[in-house]
Amino acid sequence: AQKVTQAQTEISVVEKEDVTLDCVYETRDTTYYLFWYKQPPSGELVFLIRRNSFDEQNEISGRYSWNFQKSTSSFNFTITASQVVDSAVYFCALNAGGTSYGKLTFGQGTILTVHP
Amino acid sequence: DTEVTQTPKHLVMGMTNKKSLKCEQHMGHRAMYWYKQKAKKPPELMFVYSYEKLSINESVPSRFSPECPNSSLLNLHLHALQPEDSALYLCASSHSLVQPQHFGDGTRLSIL
Repeated sequence: AQKVTQAQTEISVVEKEDVTLDCVYETRDTTYYLFWYKQPPSGELVFLIRRNSFDEQNEISGRYSWNFQKSTSSFNFTITASQVVDSAVYFCALNAGGTSYGKLTFGQGTILTVHP
Repeated sequence: DTEVTQTPKHLVMGMTNKKSLKCEQHMGHRAMYWYKQKAKKPPELMFVYSYEKLSINESVPSRFSPECPNSSLLNLHLHALQPEDSALYLCASSHSLVQPQHFGDGTRLSIL
């Protein structure tokens, strides 16, 4: 069975602070894919990043960076110098399981509020 | 603007009505999905189509009936829904079952 845990239900920061969103996953499959999605108040889910289980290289994209560690089954997401527009719900998701490929298992989400 | 288009954006229907939700993409994706999302919860997968064939049905009640007429279109036919079916229904598509899924804006469905 696949499971994703986002232990932080809500985070509140002031603009320009750095913030890290935690994601821990569980799977018995050796090949799997991890994702982060952003859901702003308007409702659409926006894809941010995909990482496969064979690629532990960290990634940076502008103010966003991701730290994938197989040893701790974690795929954490850091926003540097946060902005009000970063306010949203962030979901970590796992895609694994042979015949179940295509099924995204989502974490419960972390509500991020960035205050001016 | 998203590249996955869902219509209608809002739908209010009675429990005896029949309606359909539509989803369209022109990105050449061969996998399409329906999700249901309740307020303050993550999306829950309902159906997966791969190359126009149903590959996953997450034990969804038969009052929800998916249809994939071609590789660009995905429908969700609704009949005799219950008030608890009120939710945001999201459609997504991807190049393959392991590629990132791209979501539409969703249809907000209310059952009276």
